[in-house]
Amino acid sequence: SQKIEQNSEALNIQEGKTATLTCNYTNYSPAYLQWYRQDPGRGPVFLLLIRENEKEKRKERLKVTFDTTLKQSLFHITASQPADSATYLCALVGDYGGSQGNLIFGKGTKLSVKP
Amino acid sequence: EPEVTQTPSHQVTQMGQEVILRCVPISNHLYFYWYRQILGQKVEFLVSFYNNEISEKSEIFDDQFSVERPDGSNFTLKIRSTKLEDSAMYFCASRRTSGGANEQFFGPGTRLTVL
Repeated sequence: SQKIEQNSEALNIQEGKTATLTCNYTNYSPAYLQWYRQDPGRGPVFLLLIRENEKEKRKERLKVTFDTTLKQSLFHITASQPADSATYLCALVGDYGGSQGNLIFGKGTKLSVKP
Repeated sequence: EPEVTQTPSHQVTQMGQEVILRCVPISNHLYFYWYRQILGQKVEFLVSFYNNEISEKSEIFDDQFSVERPDGSNFTLKIRSTKLEDSAMYFCASRRTSGGANEQFFGPGTRLTVL
């Protein structure tokens, strides 16, 4: 069956450093991969999407890479700030059929940025 | 900025009772979804809805669940006879166009507690 693994359940870093989060998947060939942010008790918020033919995507302090050979995406936050503390979710589009775009989520990595 | 809204924010019910969770998606969106998140676990897809009918559903979405878009704005999830294991956060999401590439906008969630 399809699996999405986010290697670290928790990541603690110092303010100003770069946070790198990993998402690996198996038994799937997604056309695109999305990253979401989730704060406690809230719904996920879309951050970035990367397509299979894109190696890298950037948005302000965020960068996502996508390696379809390794079946891996890396999510980077540069110059991290305490306000970046949250759980970050990797999501692939599901294969229930059609183009309805239902998402399959990883369990997430909880990032804590210490001042 | 338009957003997805959900009511109630918290619902407590007795096992075996029916509950209806309500969502108002973003007004010009065409695709609607329900997801759930059991405490400490990942966000799981339940069902997608397009053009007034279910597009796709997961194994979780059994005969106890139903969805409806009774008018032009509301989107509801009904659980006919709740079980203890239905206790979770339920998120509604919507998306504007077709194709899985587009971001989904999530509501703040309804916390369902089944006693």
